Amino acid sequence: GAGVSQSPSNKVTEKGKDVELRCDPISGHTALYWYRQRLGQGLEFLIYFQGNSAPDKSGLPSDRFSAERTGESVSTLTIQRTQQEDSAVYLCASSKTDTTGNYGYTFGSGTRLTVV
Amino acid sequence: GESVGLHLPTLSVQEGDNSIINCAYSNSASDYFIWYKQESGKGPQFIIDIRSNMDKRQGQRVTVLLNKTVKHLSLQIAATQPGDSAVYFCAEAYYKLSFGAGTTVTVRA
Repeated sequence: GAGVSQSPSNKVTEKGKDVELRCDPISGHTALYWYRQRLGQGLEFLIYFQGNSAPDKSGLPSDRFSAERTGESVSTLTIQRTQQEDSAVYLCASSKTDTTGNYGYTFGSGTRLTVV
Repeated sequence: GESVGLHLPTLSVQEGDNSIINCAYSNSASDYFIWYKQESGKGPQFIIDIRSNMDKRQGQRVTVLLNKTVKHLSLQIAATQPGDSAVYFCAEAYYKLSFGAGTTVTVRA
């Protein structure tokens, strides 16, 4: 598609349940990022995928969070045993890479997760 | 650690005036900087970017200035319009983006 697509757009889940969030990056974008944005706050880096390289997981807040990406396509962010503090908007972005670095960062509209 | 910060959390601007939003960054290795606009309920929208080998870049009604000596970035919006009301984020990129907390811009009619 023309942009970064995320699904679902909204998710309400009960505390303790697992959730999966999906991101479809822009075709041809080799890099993919997940960010978390709590209400009224900035974007918090979670994880970064670049091609077939090992992902940078340095932003994942706990072992309840994990993400996968198959090749240069879809990524899923999984949160296990959700807690109320996991409530936030989860944003995905993708970018191109060339010899000058990564550029063309484009964000999806996010998934608003509410844990009740 | 490295961080990106915005000097002011809020900015109120009269419609038609120019707006200036400032940002400080700390990672001297960052080579690419981006300004984003975020409206309520939406993801960040790209406004303008600049690479570290430049000190100024202009777009439509927007200008980004980069001062690498003092690690400072600014976004200037000319003739601010009501549709410019949003939260503005600067981001620095080494390979991943690091964001500041954002500046909320409110345009007064």
